[in-house]
Amino acid sequence: EVQLVQSGAEVKKPGESLKISCKGSGYSFTTYWIDWVRQMPGKGLEWMGIIYPGDSDPRYSPSFQGQVTISADKSISTAYLHWSSLKASDTAMYYCARRPVDGYSPFDYWGQGTLVTVSS
Amino acid sequence: QSVLTQPPSVSGAPGQRVTISCTGSSSNIGAVYDVHWYQQLPGTAPKLLIYDNDNRPSGVPDRFYGSKSGTSASLAITGLQAEDEADYYCQSYDSSLSGWVFGGGTKLTVL
Repeated sequence: EVQLVQSGAEVKKPGESLKISCKGSGYSFTTYWIDWVRQMPGKGLEWMGIIYPGDSDPRYSPSFQGQVTISADKSISTAYLHWSSLKASDTAMYYCARRPVDGYSPFDYWGQGTLVTVSS
Repeated sequence: QSVLTQPPSVSGAPGQRVTISCTGSSSNIGAVYDVHWYQQLPGTAPKLLIYDNDNRPSGVPDRFYGSKSGTSASLAITGLQAEDEADYYCQSYDSSLSGWVFGGGTKLTVL
């Protein structure tokens, strides 16, 4: 069974750093893209960026370039989303999703989401 | 402001048919890129509902069907059921942005 299991909810202060994780199982982790999607409270879905665990080469949406860092450790089938200095506006639910590498395939499996709350 | 435009809300009575539109442009839906649809039930992660414009993943009822024409796409739901009450999002790739774009989402209320 394909699963993407994300790390638990986080409460942080502005300026702190944070890394959340997304562990894949039930499939070959290095042969699918992993995308990250943000959903701010009461709002829609926003694509943040993508990584191919096979070569760990991330790409970012222009809106998130320089704001976050996406990485992956294929040895433990885990992708990460990292902030070096959080802002209150980073408060949101963050989802990872798997996508087949062929063409412009859909996000066929999603993690359960990680709620990040940034508040002083 | 989302790149893909959806109505904020639609509603219908049980058993009725509703449609949700998704309007894009020549750099996304109007180009070679397919449209995908996701259903997000309250408090849960999105789930793939329709892929490649008009295909249903295994397990999705045939009450849901998608279509694409020009720079727009539509999701139709027939035989509306209470369990269909959710947010629905369209998605496509945008060549100008070199990335994925979503519609703003449509909240379906079953009356």
